[in-house]
Amino acid sequence: AQSVTQPDIHITVSEGASLELRCNYSYGATPYLFWYVQSPGQGLQLLLKYFSGDTLVQGIKGFEAEFKRSQSSFNLRKPSVHWSDAAEYFCAVGAENQGGKLIFGQGTELSVKP
Amino acid sequence: GAGVSQTPSNKVTEKGKYVELRCDPISGHTALYWYRQSLGQGPEFLIYFQGTGAADDSGLPNDRFFAVRPEGSVSTLKIQRTERGDSAVYLCASSSLNRGNHEQYFGPGTRLTVT
Repeated sequence: AQSVTQPDIHITVSEGASLELRCNYSYGATPYLFWYVQSPGQGLQLLLKYFSGDTLVQGIKGFEAEFKRSQSSFNLRKPSVHWSDAAEYFCAVGAENQGGKLIFGQGTELSVKP
Repeated sequence: GAGVSQTPSNKVTEKGKYVELRCDPISGHTALYWYRQSLGQGPEFLIYFQGTGAADDSGLPNDRFFAVRPEGSVSTLKIQRTERGDSAVYLCASSSLNRGNHEQYFGPGTRLTVT
């Protein structure tokens, strides 16, 4: 069955520290991979996406993610976290033969300590 | 330009009532998606339209849920005989699917509360 796992439900980091949010997927087809961010009361905003090509992708707000096919992972990273990064982060997977339908992980809530 | 809009932003209804949730996609986007997000969970796929037709409705939980997109633009999600378990945020997204672009743009959601 297709699935996305975000092992960490809640992470707290200090402002200025580095961040890595984990995402593992199980998908039969060649996946498309996304990271979305959701702030309280806000809609989902796309941070970055991977369709093909370079496995290290850059996104908005200084985020990057690396697709590792051998590990079925697509971890999100940021070298220096800002207080405004506090939000809920979702990893999502889709595929060409799925018409763009996305399967989401359950999310990781990020808190930032001053 | 205008993003995806959803109305109403909040809807409170009594158990057993009928509700309609509306989604206005980004102009020109041929693909439209409905998701449901329960508290503390990620969005869960409900249905996907390509143009006017439902290309994949495998995520609809039961026959109380129905969605239409009669002119290939605005979509309405309809829920009959609402139950307390239907309480969630209902998200709509649209995509152009041009040149293999599967990026989905999400609306702010409709928070449905069934009392």
